[in-house]
Amino acid sequence: GNSVTQMEGPVTLSEEAFLTINCTYTATGYPSLFWYVQYPGEGLQLLLKATKADDKGSNKGFEATYRKETTSFHLEKGSVQVSDSAVYFCALKDSGAGSYQLTFGKGTKLSVIP
Amino acid sequence: DTAVSQTPKYLVTQMGNDKSIKCEQNLGHDTMYWYKQDSKKFLKIMFSYNNKELIINETVPNRFSPKSPDKAHLNLHINSLELGDSAVYFCASSQDLGQVGEQFFGPGTRLTVL
Repeated sequence: GNSVTQMEGPVTLSEEAFLTINCTYTATGYPSLFWYVQYPGEGLQLLLKATKADDKGSNKGFEATYRKETTSFHLEKGSVQVSDSAVYFCALKDSGAGSYQLTFGKGTKLSVIP
Repeated sequence: DTAVSQTPKYLVTQMGNDKSIKCEQNLGHDTMYWYKQDSKKFLKIMFSYNNKELIINETVPNRFSPKSPDKAHLNLHINSLELGDSAVYFCASSQDLGQVGEQFFGPGTRLTVL
């Protein structure tokens, strides 16, 4: 079956530090990959996506590249801000017919301190 | 104008009671979902509906019953509440089944069973 593995949190960084949150996946076929963000007290929001190998998704200074050879989709940001404090979820959608749900990772909590 | 709304935001109740959570989306989407998020932030799909038709019905106790009166609404009724039902419940929607990767989430309903 499909699975998504994220690095264990919590991750605590100082403002302006470089962020990497690791995500690897197991899937049959060629999945689409997503990062969602959940700010405190809110629902999840789609942050970025990539639908095929070597695609780079980007949004709000965050980037992730779909690496088929390493089955990874690591989230990066060059300089984090306090407002980036949130829980980040990596997710995949299988490419198979009849695939109607997302498989989520367990989430990684990020805290950015001034 | 809120895209996906849920009521109530907080729900505190006694074991054994029956309660409902309502969800409405004004995005014109065809597909709606219910998720349960536990205290460790793990997100689990419970149900999905497409054009009022049940698509996903994960291994959820039959005390949980979704109802979709129309495309814009997906309500969740829970009978005989148990302590283990305490969690945050999220409603979400996507344009259609093919866009399952791009979901819009509501703000969540925090259910506490005493």
